[in-house]
Parts: sequence; structure tokens; C-alpha cells
Amino acid sequence: DVKVTQSSRYLVKRTGEKVFLECVQDMDHENMFWYRQDPGLGLRLIYFSYDVKMKEKGDIPEGYSVSREKKERFSLILESASTNQTSMYLCASSFTTGGSNEKLFFGSGTQLSVL
Amino acid sequence: DQQVKQNSPSLSVQEGRISILNCDYTNSMFDYFLWYKKYPAEGPTFLISISSIKDKNEDGRFTVFLNKSAKHLSLHIVPSQPGDSAVYFCAASVTGTASKLTFGTGTRLQVTL
Repeated sequence: DVKVTQSSRYLVKRTGEKVFLECVQDMDHENMFWYRQDPGLGLRLIYFSYDVKMKEKGDIPEGYSVSREKKERFSLILESASTNQTSMYLCASSFTTGGSNEKLFFGSGTQLSVL
Repeated sequence: DQQVKQNSPSLSVQEGRISILNCDYTNSMFDYFLWYKKYPAEGPTFLISISSIKDKNEDGRFTVFLNKSAKHLSLHIVPSQPGDSAVYFCAASVTGTASKLTFGTGTRLQVTL
């Protein structure tokens, strides 16, 4: 089974802190993603990466950056946390098949509270 | 701009009856559609998908229907079971974009005894 592991289940940080959310997958997937889930807004894509050291902005990249130094690890960085970044953060990965049957495998999520 | 919409935030169905969850999309480039199921404190898990070359895909109790002209898809669960109680997300993508999915806002399904 594919395993996507997020380092923390719950995290509480203060406004202005630099926050690192870590994600590791064990299936040699090329693609990795960071989403946030908010009530009434569904899942929104923050950043994604198709390969090591590559990154692309998603729909809501403002206030975030990412790092992918190794294929299995994708980090989300909040440079200066703000209260509107309180959310459930979900990491996902997928294998590129080139066809239309690619699906995402998600981690369990990190509930981040910024006070 | 919400390209994938789930207009019903919640749905309550009796055990054994049919659950129908609906999803509408606006981007005509979408050609691959998926449903994910999410329990509290867990990540979403893949449920079923359909390509735009089909209008129906079935997997056990779950069937997804696609109406391309109406830009509408629906998920049918028959018969509904208490373990189906979860939040269901519809998602869409364009082939070749390496699983960059656009999600809907979710529908919370409660299956009552």
C-alpha cells in the first residue's frame, strides 16, 4: 500500500513564526502536492512538484513556499505564519502514467492552528 | 472561481436506501473525474473515477454517472450503509496534467439507521 506520511498531526504556532510541514511518500512517486482544506471551500491546491527540485504554484500559493530536495520528501513552508493560515493541510502524491488514470494518495493531514 | 461545485453541503439517507451525490463543473477541458471519501482526522481516499469517454462507471455499490453536455456528474451508493457516512469530494482534471486535481467543496453524507 502507498504510504504518505505527514510529520505532525496537530501543530500550534504563533503569528509570525516560520513553520515547516513535512511529507514523505514511500512509493517512488514523481508528483507531490500540498492542499489545504477549509470548511465550505473544499481542498485547494497550494503548490505541487513533478520532480526533484521542481515546483509549481497552485491556486493559492501566497504566503507559502515549498522544497523538494529528495524525491520522497516534499516540505511546505509558511515563512511568517498568520491566523488565516489556520487550516488542515494535506499532502498527496501520485505516479505519472501519462494517461487519464492518475489518482492522488493522501496523507492523514496536519491540523495547524496559528494563534 | 469555483470550477467544480457541490451544491449540497450535506445529505442524510436511511440505511439501505440510495444516496445520490451531485457535482457540477464549468471547465470544458476537464476530461477525468474522481470521487474521494474522507473520514474525520484522515486524508481523503480514492473511491471511483470516470473518463469523459464514458458515461457510467460501476464498482460494487458505487456508480458514477457523467453527463458531459450538462457538465454534471453524480455518485450513487446503493445500498447505503452506516460506514458510508463521510465527506465526499468530487474532483476533476485534464489528462496530461499529472493528477493536478480541482476539488469541489464536499458533501457530508450521513447514513442513519
